[in-house]
Amino acid sequence: QKEVEQDPGPLSVPEGAIVSLNCTYSNSAFQYFMWYRQYSRKGPELLMYTYSSGNKEDGRFTAQVDKSSKYISLFIRDSQPSDSATYLCAMSVNTGNQFYFGTGTSLTVIP
Amino acid sequence: EAGVTQSPTHLIKTRGQQATLRCSPISGHTSVYWYQQALGLGLQFLLWYDEGEERNRGNFPPRFSGRQFPNYSSELNVNALELEDSALYLCASSPREVPGYEQYFGPGTRLTVT
Repeated sequence: QKEVEQDPGPLSVPEGAIVSLNCTYSNSAFQYFMWYRQYSRKGPELLMYTYSSGNKEDGRFTAQVDKSSKYISLFIRDSQPSDSATYLCAMSVNTGNQFYFGTGTSLTVIP
Repeated sequence: EAGVTQSPTHLIKTRGQQATLRCSPISGHTSVYWYQQALGLGLQFLLWYDEGEERNRGNFPPRFSGRQFPNYSSELNVNALELEDSALYLCASSPREVPGYEQYFGPGTRLTVT
């Protein structure tokens, strides 16, 4: 079983839609949860991080962590064509430990 | 502020050869991380260097090695190249005083092994 599972998509939504991206994981020791965005031919860029359980909001983006279900989500409100990218979840036990990444979900927002 | 830079952008090698990939972190960052991004497999952690020392290593064979120089730049060496080593190799850096989740990635080196 992989440490982190992520539906690769692709996901295609109309502009303005609410997007939900999800990852599940198997290691209950994970405490740090990150979401990265990767545009084509670019390196990933950190979007959001959360520590332990709970929600975190930043503009149109909301990250949720449910440790009891080993499930994390990223919600994008009022999606824009510029949000079209691959979204990667990542998690680690501690900040100094290695990160475990999902395979990424490809998102296209259609104008 | 200049971001993480990697060179070369593309590298084509034949099976059995050696490849050397280079990374320059953001100024002031002391930690450098290397990842392999193969098609369909996502990012796989390779190596973590901090202050010139190897701090952690992913589940890769010893023919993947590297080092960090006094100016914090880093080099990844892959010996005895195999076809399955073809991938995008990403380098990331983070500052010492910030938890490691703030990793800033470079654009990557695309390695093709024929």
